[in-house]
Amino acid sequence: DSGVTQTPKHLITATGQRVTLRCSPRSGDLSVYWYQQSLDQGLQFLIQYYNGEERAKGNILERFSAQQFPDLHSELNLSSLELGDSALYFCASSVGTRGANVLTFGAGSRLTVL
Amino acid sequence: AQSVTQLDSHVSVSEGTPVLLRCNYSSSYSPSLFWYVQHPNKGLQLLLKYTSAATLVKGINGFEAEFKKSETSFHLTKPSAHMSDAAEYFCVVTPYNNNDMRFGAGTRLTVKP
Repeated sequence: DSGVTQTPKHLITATGQRVTLRCSPRSGDLSVYWYQQSLDQGLQFLIQYYNGEERAKGNILERFSAQQFPDLHSELNLSSLELGDSALYFCASSVGTRGANVLTFGAGSRLTVL
Repeated sequence: AQSVTQLDSHVSVSEGTPVLLRCNYSSSYSPSLFWYVQHPNKGLQLLLKYTSAATLVKGINGFEAEFKKSETSFHLTKPSAHMSDAAEYFCVVTPYNNNDMRFGAGTRLTVKP
């Protein structure tokens, strides 16, 4: 157990639907990151939050949004889902925002869009 | 800007033989470099990291990596492969002052009995 908790572990839904993925960071970590991993795109950085505020944005689609709450957990919202959104979504956390900080990853949420 | 290239998408070794997973990086700043491992259906786990201290970095499970600035490389090695080493390995580069992490495409390591 890495200390980063992601729910749900598996999710199957239909095109056009909306889902929310949840992440609780490791105790003491203030930064949360979201990544998408698919066979054709590899591991793609989506977005980072630090202590409730957006810190960095990667290849996140406009249909996707995220937030980090005062208790530091984070949610990734995916809407108007398409078949191509099927992927493994990882959350990671770190203490701060410096490059030497190690990321601790959760086990991932596997999204299947039918 | 920084980037990382993993030179092999797939490496296959026999159990008990050495492992070499190659990674070259590009960075405008003094980089921090990491190797992460991902076992099937699992999250990524840190193997080791380099942050401008000793150039030879030892990690978990007998892995080590050497930072070579002149060659802009950070290759991962292990003297003797074990079946449990079969996994996907990711090389990561980031500037020392922020978390703009760039992941390589990954190298899948297969270990044959």
